[in-house]
Amino acid sequence: DAGITQSPRHKVTETGTPVTLRCHQTENHRYMYWYRQDPGHGLRLIHYSYGVKDTDKGEVSDGYSVSRSKTEDFLLTLESATSSQTSVYFCATRRDRAHSPLHFGNGTRLTVT
Amino acid sequence: QQQVKQSPQSLIVQKGGIPIINCAYENTAFDYFPWYQQFPGKGPALLIAIRPDVSEKKEGRFTISFNKSAKQFSLHIMDSQPGDSATYFCAASMGSGGGADGLTFGKGTHLIIQP
Repeated sequence: DAGITQSPRHKVTETGTPVTLRCHQTENHRYMYWYRQDPGHGLRLIHYSYGVKDTDKGEVSDGYSVSRSKTEDFLLTLESATSSQTSVYFCATRRDRAHSPLHFGNGTRLTVT
Repeated sequence: QQQVKQSPQSLIVQKGGIPIINCAYENTAFDYFPWYQQFPGKGPALLIAIRPDVSEKKEGRFTISFNKSAKQFSLHIMDSQPGDSATYFCAASMGSGGGADGLTFGKGTHLIIQP
């Protein structure tokens, strides 16, 4: 949807290792988001970007960092993965800030052992 | 503090029935209310959205009812089918006066339509 590709789709990693998830979009949308989805918690915002090199924290940003060096790419990094970061991660884009829907990728399932 | 409360958490309905999912919000500055549908292994996809200047919006078998005074909105699925089995999320956001931080989501409703 909206040309959003997330990679990898699945990843298993060990506690304490760094992990980077990638989101690539082809729609030239200005706004990009990282959410995590967990049972009983729904979708929670981790970080978002409102332009190249412009990012801000969301609701659950501790332990995560992001970077956006190009309009089309938004990276999410777990500096030192913990078991509590086992989750499904979704990238989303939005054309405008007002009254504009989010378009989601198909997610990355991350397991931290 | 959860700004959008969604209920029920799960729902089982017989084929042809009308499942109803309810959401309530607190922030009166919200003025855009979309619903998303998510199938297993996929990302959420926009289903239907409403602005507070209308009380109801229909798209096919899906209807949003909106009650501005009560700060509530709901999704109805007419003539439900097994293929409607999915997780549904309500959401809300502010318009041009709001921030760039996307949508505030409810926690989701897992809907099963039994044949």
